[in-house]
Amino acid sequence: AQTVTQSQPEMSVQEAETVTLSCTYDTSESDYYLFWYKQPPSRQMILVIRQEAYKQQNATENRFSVNFQKAAKSFSLKISDSQLGDAAMYFCAYRSLHSGNTPLVFGKGTRLSVIA
Amino acid sequence: GAVVSQHPSWVICKSGTSVKIECRSLDFQATTMFWYRQFPKQSLMLMATSNEGSKATYEQGVEKDKFLINHASLTLSTLTVTSAHPEDSSFYICSAPPSRYTGELFFGEGSRLTVL
Repeated sequence: AQTVTQSQPEMSVQEAETVTLSCTYDTSESDYYLFWYKQPPSRQMILVIRQEAYKQQNATENRFSVNFQKAAKSFSLKISDSQLGDAAMYFCAYRSLHSGNTPLVFGKGTRLSVIA
Repeated sequence: GAVVSQHPSWVICKSGTSVKIECRSLDFQATTMFWYRQFPKQSLMLMATSNEGSKATYEQGVEKDKFLINHASLTLSTLTVTSAHPEDSSFYICSAPPSRYTGELFFGEGSRLTVL
């Protein structure tokens, strides 16, 4: 079974600064998706960024980018120019590509605080 | 884009009663939906996979007689918490993959259940 580990329960960053959230995962599969989801106080799950494992190029979405190291099974999220609205729980998630409709497997999450 | 709607957002009930939570895919068909449970300050834990036209698949440790799942149509899955007790109080979130496979799941707004 796949597992996702987020080793930072809490992180904080100054507004306008850069922060990196860590994520490692364990799988025996070669094809899969990795995601970062954001959960603000409203608790609505919001997709931040997606990475296909077969793509070597790191995904980027505006101020959000990832460092995907497939061999090391590492998938960190970098938030640049942090904004107050970035404060939320961030979940790293894995999804298998192999067997039909599979669920997301989540890490325990990292609570990000943004300091004005 | 694909939208998943969940209802009700909040529900308070007395111990021993049953509560039904609905999850609808609004602009796409979902043969599979996933139900997650989230305790305060914790991650999302998969409860069950809901399959249209067949029985749900429950994760280990989840009581199928307590959490009844019905996938009545290609756009509706329901979770019924039967004979609810205070320990069933939690945040329940449904999700579904969009028709076009992009890897991600779309999430409902979640339902906060409080059992008195």
